[in-house]
Amino acid sequence: QEQMQESGPGLVKPSQTLSLTCTVSGSSISSADYYWTWIRQPPGKALELIGHIYYNGSTYYSPSLKSRLTISQDTSKNQFSLNLRSVTAADTAVYYCARALFDYWTGYPDWFDTWGQGARVTVSS
Amino acid sequence: EIVVTQSPATLSVSPGEGATLSCRASQSINKKLAWYQQRPGQAPRLLIYGATTRATGIPARFSGSGSGTDFTLTITSLQSEDFAVYYCQHYNIWPPWTFGQGTKVEIK
Repeated sequence: QEQMQESGPGLVKPSQTLSLTCTVSGSSISSADYYWTWIRQPPGKALELIGHIYYNGSTYYSPSLKSRLTISQDTSKNQFSLNLRSVTAADTAVYYCARALFDYWTGYPDWFDTWGQGARVTVSS
Repeated sequence: EIVVTQSPATLSVSPGEGATLSCRASQSINKKLAWYQQRPGQAPRLLIYGATTRATGIPARFSGSGSGTDFTLTITSLQSEDFAVYYCQHYNIWPPWTFGQGTKVEIK
């Protein structure tokens, strides 16, 4: 059974870097069938796409976060990670990793079929 | 960017009754719409994809309909575990795909 689990600090100081890792089990991040994605949900708000990484290392970053964001992968550990630099209180959210299906017609991601439980991150001094 | 708008924001329903949730896209997305359920304190769970196809393990009381710009999620005979927030997500034009703001289904 596919599972995804986020890990990382729950508290980050303003101006520092938020780092999270998603450990995947039951499927391989080296598979061409999926995009490995980060999504966040600020308190009381809707879901927001952060970005994704594909098995070949190609990435997509939300334009609003692109200048501060890096998504990387470690295939030997079947993990992918998020680094968000220079955080502010506006980055306080629950961060989810999720798996999006690769659409072989378009080459783009489709829906999210598997999600992690979420990591609550607070940015505060 | 395609915007998806959900209505109503909150729906008050008695257990055993049905609920109808709406999602409208700012331009045609064919049938490229997914629905998710988010229970309090939990991650979203895929319910419907392709506007009408139930995901694995999803009960038959959940059904999706629509195409183009107007979509509906129907829940018949609500159970206690169905009281949650529901999100729609389009995946027609990349980048990016976007989520709606959610509809909270609460106990009346």
